[in-house]
Formats: sequence, structure tokens, C-alpha cells
Amino acid sequence: QVQLQQWGAGLLKPSETLSLTCAVYGGSFSDYYWSWIRQPPGKGLEWVGEINHNGRTNYNPSLKSRVTTSVDASKNQFSLHLSSVTAADTAVYYCARKVWSGELDYWGQGTLVTVSS
Amino acid sequence: DIVMTQSPDSLAVSLGERATIDCKSSQTVLYSSNNRNYLAWYQLKPGQPPKLLIYWASTRESGVPDRFSGSGSGTDFTLTISSLQAEDVAVYYCHQYYTTPYSFGQGTKLEIK
Repeated sequence: QVQLQQWGAGLLKPSETLSLTCAVYGGSFSDYYWSWIRQPPGKGLEWVGEINHNGRTNYNPSLKSRVTTSVDASKNQFSLHLSSVTAADTAVYYCARKVWSGELDYWGQGTLVTVSS
Repeated sequence: DIVMTQSPDSLAVSLGERATIDCKSSQTVLYSSNNRNYLAWYQLKPGQPPKLLIYWASTRESGVPDRFSGSGSGTDFTLTISSLQAEDVAVYYCHQYYTTPYSFGQGTKLEIK
């Protein structure tokens, strides 16, 4: 049974850096891309980016200048960092597993990140 | 970038009746080399992560009830719930994974009439 467990700071001030980590339990870590998706309050889902076990990344161009992802394959963990946050970055952030065909089959529970002064 | 547009934004259906949600992509998500549509559907309930229902436009994920079905090809897709159950109340999203940046529809809120 695959489980994704995520954590990170839930309250940030403008200009700070958002940091979230997702741990993967069960299944292979190296066979997938690991993704981040967010949902602002009252809005739809937005793809943030993805990383594989070798550190190969793809990012949403709308966030590319501020987003980085990293991976620790020895711990089956991956992380998201979003710099210079503003209120517009307030959202529930999800980590998810992307299978080889591209769909997202397992998701973390979500972390609400609020940016407020 | 591929823009995904769902219709309607909200939908109220009686229990046991059929619910239909449409999704249109701004360009094709059909990969000609394998004739696969890179389109998925997810169900999102409050306080829960999204649940994968359908991938490759019409393949039901393991464990998903067979009242859920997906159809369409190219740029026009449909999610159908053949007989609405109370537990199907949720927001439904289509998702293209044909090319980055991957994108989602704006969501369709499904309620009981």
C-alpha cells in the first residue's frame, strides 16, 4: 500500500520561502516522477512541478523563477521550495505520484499554507 | 499551454439519475504514436486529497465503481456517472498530462437535486 505523508510550515509572511516535504511509504521510489499540485481557496487545481529520483525536474513556467524541488532518494522523500511568497500563494499544497503514463495515482493529504502579514 | 475548460461549473442531479460532465482541451491530447488520450478525471471531496477515477480518457482506475465512465478523444471528453449515489457529491476535475505545463479544468461541483 502506497502512502504519501507531507509536512511543512502552514503560516508564512510575505517574502518568506515555503518549504514542504513529502515522504513516500511503499512501492518503488525510483520508478516515478513525484509531483506538487496546489489549490488556492475557492479555486481549481494548479500543477506546480515534478521531480524524479535522479533530480530531473519540470516546473510550471508561471512559478519557475521561484520554485525548486529536491529529492532524497535514500529517505524516499522529496521537497518543494517556493521563494518570495505572497498572498496569492496561499493554497492547499498536495504531493502526488505520477505514474509512467502521466496520471497522478497517489496523493498526500494536503497542507494548507497561508501567507499573511 | 493547454487550457482545459469544463462544463457545467455546477450540476444538480437526482439520486439514481445520470450525471454528465464535459471537458474540452484547447489542443489535442491524443498522442498519435500510441493512440492514447492523455486525459484523466479526479474526484475531490472536502478534506480529502483528489482521487484518480479515470486515466487515458476511458480507463477506470482499480477500485473505482463501474458507474463511473470516461469517453471522448482529441479535444472533447466526458465523465459520466450512470446512476448517482449520495457519496458521489464532490468536485470533479479533468487533467491533461499530454504536455507540460500539465493543467486541470476549473472543476465541476456535483450536488444532489
